[in-house]
Amino acid sequence: AQKVTQAQTEISVVEKEDVTLDCVYETRDTTYYLFWYKQPPSGELVFLIRRNSFDEQNEISGRYSWNFQKSTSSFNFTITASQVVDSAVYFCALSTVLTLTGGGNKLTFGTGTQLKVEL
Amino acid sequence: GAVVSQHPSRVICKSGTSVKIECRSLDFQATTMFWYRQFPKKSLMLMATSNEGSKATYEQGVEKDKFLINHASLTLSTLTVTSAHPEDSSFYICSARNATKTYNEQFFGPGTRLTVL
Repeated sequence: AQKVTQAQTEISVVEKEDVTLDCVYETRDTTYYLFWYKQPPSGELVFLIRRNSFDEQNEISGRYSWNFQKSTSSFNFTITASQVVDSAVYFCALSTVLTLTGGGNKLTFGTGTQLKVEL
Repeated sequence: GAVVSQHPSRVICKSGTSVKIECRSLDFQATTMFWYRQFPKKSLMLMATSNEGSKATYEQGVEKDKFLINHASLTLSTLTVTSAHPEDSSFYICSARNATKTYNEQFFGPGTRLTVL
């Protein structure tokens, strides 16, 4: 069974502060994918990043960066110089590789972290 | 891009009525679509996997007679909440898998907020 844990239920920061959202996952599969999604108040999920289990390189995209550590089964997300527009719920998710029967690709979501960025 | 739409975006109905939610992949064919349910301040829970031309696969604990899923074409899946009750009020999100993409990644619709009075 797969599991994604986001221990931080809610984080509040002041604008321009850096903030890291934690994600710890569990899976028995050796090949898997990890995701981060942003869900603003409107409800629509916004895809942020996908990382496969064989690629442990950290990634930076503008103010966003991700740290993937297989040794600790973590895939943490950092927002640098946070802005009010970053306020949203952020979900980490895990998916295994498509199975031969086509039944794979299920996404297991964490419980989400509510980020509030205040002026 | 890969766009997925949902209709309606918001629906309010009386207890006992049935509500149909449509999920469409607008610019790609989706052999598989997924239906999720999200309660306020909670995570997304997968309800079922919908495969074009075959029966949906429901997750444990999801009543298949309550939540009817039909995936009659490569661009449309529907979720019908039958005899809705207030406890069915929730945010329903669909996603579609693009089989032509390398990873078969899922693209999410904007969600449908159902309120049952």
